[in-house]
Amino acid sequence: AQTVTQSQPEMSVQEAETVTLSCTYDTSENNYYLFWYKQPPSRQMILVIRQEAYKQQNATENRFSVNFQKAAKSFSLKISDSQLGDTAMYFCAFRVKTSYDKVIFGPGTSLSVIP
Amino acid sequence: KAGVTQTPRYLIKTRGQQVTLSCSPISGHRSVSWYQQTPGQGLQFLFEYFSETQRNKGNFPGRFSGRQFSNSRSEMNVSTLELGDSALYLCASSWMNTSFGETQYFGPGTRLLVL
Repeated sequence: AQTVTQSQPEMSVQEAETVTLSCTYDTSENNYYLFWYKQPPSRQMILVIRQEAYKQQNATENRFSVNFQKAAKSFSLKISDSQLGDTAMYFCAFRVKTSYDKVIFGPGTSLSVIP
Repeated sequence: KAGVTQTPRYLIKTRGQQVTLSCSPISGHRSVSWYQQTPGQGLQFLFEYFSETQRNKGNFPGRFSGRQFSNSRSEMNVSTLELGDSALYLCASSWMNTSFGETQYFGPGTRLLVL
């Protein structure tokens, strides 16, 4: 069975600094997708970034980038130039590419950006 | 396009009652997934529907059921409510035809409190 682990329940970062959120996963599959979702306080969950496992190049979306290490089954999220609006729960998620299997979410990391 | 909408947004029920939650996906989206979110258990997958068919089901008791209509709107029902059913219930939609890595768009959730 696939599992997703986020070992940092809470993190904080000073505004304008850089922070990295960790995510590891366990699967025997070779083709899959990885996602980072953001859930701000009392607001809707939105996709931050996604990565296809067969692509070696790390995905980037503006200030957000990932470090995808397939062999190590690691998928960390780096937030550069942190802003107050980045304060949120961040969930790492996984889905097998060629299957109707469900999306599996990690337990989440609560990130606080301090002014 | 309008986003995913969920009704009602807040609900208070007593133990033993039953409840029906509704989700209207983004226009054109054919896949709807339901999740239960609690502080202790995180995001737990309930079920996924595609073109009126339940394609996947999570590890929840039979008290939790759902369905999808021809217009892709979905409902979930919980019968014989228990205190532990208090949670935020999230609905997510995606076009989900053959690409399983498609982004899921989440609604604001229905917050259910069971007394």
